[in-house]
Amino acid sequence: SQKIEQNSEALNIQEGKTATLTCNYTNYSPAYLQWYRQDPGRGPVFLLLIRENEKEKRKERLKVTFDTTLKQSLFHITASQPADSATYLCFSSGGYNKLIFGAGTRLAVHP
Amino acid sequence: DSGVTQTPKHLITATGQRVTLRCSPRSGDLSVYWYQQSLDQGLQFLIQYYNGEERAKGNILERFSAQQFPDLHSELNLSSLELGDSALYFCASSAQQGSYNEQFFGPGTRLTVL
Repeated sequence: SQKIEQNSEALNIQEGKTATLTCNYTNYSPAYLQWYRQDPGRGPVFLLLIRENEKEKRKERLKVTFDTTLKQSLFHITASQPADSATYLCFSSGGYNKLIFGAGTRLAVHP
Repeated sequence: DSGVTQTPKHLITATGQRVTLRCSPRSGDLSVYWYQQSLDQGLQFLIQYYNGEERAKGNILERFSAQQFPDLHSELNLSSLELGDSALYFCASSAQQGSYNEQFFGPGTRLTVL
């Protein structure tokens, strides 16, 4: 079945460094991938969308890549700040009736 | 503030009971999605409505049902509740029916089944 997998282990980095989060998909070829940010006890917030024919998308300090060969999307936060600490979710559609969120990766940025 | 409202914020009930969760989408959005988030499952898609019609159905249990009303608000009904139904239930809305569109999430309803 279609799956989206994200690293379940928390990512701890120092302030100012670049955080890189991974989203791998299996058993399907999504037309797009979206990234959301979720803070504890709150609803996810949309960050970026990247289509399968786009290699890279940027928005301020955020960058997303989409590699259809590796079946992977990478999400980068440059010059990270403690305020970036949150859980980041990957999302896509696996076809009709199949909306899939990854389990998310928790990012902790330390001062 | 996403513009999506959900009520109630918290709900505590007993096994076997029935509850109704309510969602009002952002002004102008025609699509409403319902998700369940429990600690061990992540966000699970339940169902989507678009302009009053069911558009897509995920892993929604038969004990659960939903509808979208003419004013576009939506309700999720959960019946014969079990302990395992305890979770955060999120509603999201988007302008169009395709899942390609950015979803705006509400603050969620935390359901506790005792």
